[in-house]
Amino acid sequence: GQNIDQPTEMTATEGAIVQINCTYQTSGFNGLFWYQQHAGEAPTFLSYNVLDGLEEKGRFSSFLSRSKGYSYLLLKELQMKDSASYLCALNDYKLSFGAGTTVTVRA
Amino acid sequence: DGGITQSPKYLFRKEGQNVTLSCEQNLNHDAMYWYRQDPGQGLRLIYYSQIVNDFQKGDIAEGYSVSREKKESFPLTVTSAQKNPTAFYLCASRSEVVMNTEAFFGQGTRLTVV
Repeated sequence: GQNIDQPTEMTATEGAIVQINCTYQTSGFNGLFWYQQHAGEAPTFLSYNVLDGLEEKGRFSSFLSRSKGYSYLLLKELQMKDSASYLCALNDYKLSFGAGTTVTVRA
Repeated sequence: DGGITQSPKYLFRKEGQNVTLSCEQNLNHDAMYWYRQDPGQGLRLIYYSQIVNDFQKGDIAEGYSVSREKKESFPLTVTSAQKNPTAFYLCASRSEVVMNTEAFFGQGTRLTVV
């Protein structure tokens, strides 16, 4: 595979900011996706980076650095409903996913 | 409404039996994928298809088979050769493999083998 690594778990307080990192070891991909998945449900699309830099979509932002093999998803003004798993995925011909990071938001 | 539908949502089978999971999409998407998800883990690719009548093995294809006779349909058969079939199975589709489009997922089938 593409050796996509994410931290297993993160915990943060409501209203805070959390950064979820994703590292990978491949150069052959078109872009990098971030998906959100609530327990027992299907993943839903959050963000996509083709070029290096920051993409902002409301409370969620995603960053990509191809030279460093690194991406992150930034969640701002955390809400209880943001408790979920966050998956990064490489946009190659296989659409390869990382193992996901489970974020728990506490009051 | 356009979407991707998996059925059934829950499926129980006896050990040693083959079982087929359905995945249908009316989004006119070219590419379709099957993933397996175990508790607390990410998505592992079983099979994918970029065009009708063609499909490729993913990272964990052993014990599984697929067909892609129609653009809308990509059924997955879990055979008796699959050692640990109990898992959450997700089907996804997207319009083009090369271009920058996101994949849409079905609601998943939770398979339990007893």
